[in-house]
Amino acid sequence: KNEVEQSPQNLTAQEGEFITINCSYSVGISALHWLQQHPGGGIVSLFMLSSGKKKHGRLIATINIQEKHSSLHITASHPRDSAVYICALNTDKLIFGTGTRLQVFP
Amino acid sequence: KAGVTQTPRYLIKTRGQQVTLSCSPISGHRSVSWYQQTPGQGLQFLFEYFSETQRNKGNFPGRFSGRQFSNSRSEMNVSTLELGDSALYLCVSSPTGDGYTFGSGTRLTVV
Repeated sequence: KNEVEQSPQNLTAQEGEFITINCSYSVGISALHWLQQHPGGGIVSLFMLSSGKKKHGRLIATINIQEKHSSLHITASHPRDSAVYICALNTDKLIFGTGTRLQVFP
Repeated sequence: KAGVTQTPRYLIKTRGQQVTLSCSPISGHRSVSWYQQTPGQGLQFLFEYFSETQRNKGNFPGRFSGRQFSNSRSEMNVSTLELGDSALYLCVSSPTGDGYTFGSGTRLTVV
């Protein structure tokens, strides 16, 4: 069983829709990261969470340590949000999810 | 505060050449890790350096090597480049191996 699972693998949405991307894990962590990667681009760090919820603009990230689950929400999605979103676990090493590819159409 | 700086951002090399990529970590961070992301693949661990010593190594051939300097800056080198080495190379720094900060990556294309 993988230590970290992201769902869905692929997601398409219409502009303006509310998006949720999920990350479930099975190991103990000190924190969880959400990363964004545009096609052909580099990695951008969106959030680091160890508990609760964080918000930055239209992006909201939540984590439930007891449930070993985190979600990334995008409100009022826009085509420029089209990217791969990756969760990464802080353990004694970094463990990366395989990513969720999001496409938002106008 | 300055982030993790990777140079160059983009690079094109020919098969058989060698390449050196650089990573300057956050000031005070002593751990630098390198990851490779090939098209369609997740991020694969290459190696970690801590205080100038390689602390962990992933499952990559000996063509991939690295080093860390006394100022914590790190370089990775790939010799005898192959087409399959085309990838994003990501550097991640941390104070001790936790509390990670991500570089934006160097995109290497081998032709």
